Amino acid sequence: QQQVKQSPQSLIVQKGGISIINCAYENTAFDYFPWYQQFPGKGPALLIAIRPDVSEKKEGRFTISFNKSAKQFSLHIMDSQPGDSATYFCAASMRSGGYQKVTFGTGTKLQVIP
Amino acid sequence: NAGVTQTPKFQVLKTGQSMTLQCAQDMNHNSMYWYRQDPGMGLRLIYYSASEGTTDKGEVPNGYNVSRLNKREFSLRLESAAPSQTSVYFCASSPVTSTDTQYFGPGTRLTVL
Repeated sequence: QQQVKQSPQSLIVQKGGISIINCAYENTAFDYFPWYQQFPGKGPALLIAIRPDVSEKKEGRFTISFNKSAKQFSLHIMDSQPGDSATYFCAASMRSGGYQKVTFGTGTKLQVIP
Repeated sequence: NAGVTQTPKFQVLKTGQSMTLQCAQDMNHNSMYWYRQDPGMGLRLIYYSASEGTTDKGEVPNGYNVSRLNKREFSLRLESAAPSQTSVYFCASSPVTSTDTQYFGPGTRLTVL
């Protein structure tokens, strides 16, 4: 049962353009929504994260928009650069039985072309 | 400070062989996790250890066993490898706060023939 749906599966953006990746979740018990960035041959690494009591969080060129009522959140990458080419995973997290239960989306492969 | 380390980086097994994937972290984190990553499936949790001395099943535990050797080390064992276990395996660790970041190792690419 996939609890976090992510789209698109792949994305090609021109350098300087805006990259947008969307995610939707089902379980309202989730209380933390991180985005991970993964380069080929590497493990995922935290990019940016948001709590559900905030509608937007910005860190440099990366912004998360969060719509609690619609149970949707998205990642916007402004002024996309070739170095942003990577796979991006949204995730939803909650505490469960003493550990952090994280459910990942299926990933979006972003390619930024010069 | 190496973070999360995994060995080996690559492994090829024949069906029915066994092996252990090793993971260690030097960040004094309480929780450790094993995930597998398959194309189009994202990351799926195999087993986790909320704290030293405890382990529990995740989403896809069949065919695997784990050992939390101490606070630093968490190993994943395949007793009788199957082609369906061909995947990239990631170990991760995190502290205990509610907004924990999970720190991932570089992964082990396993092929079962």
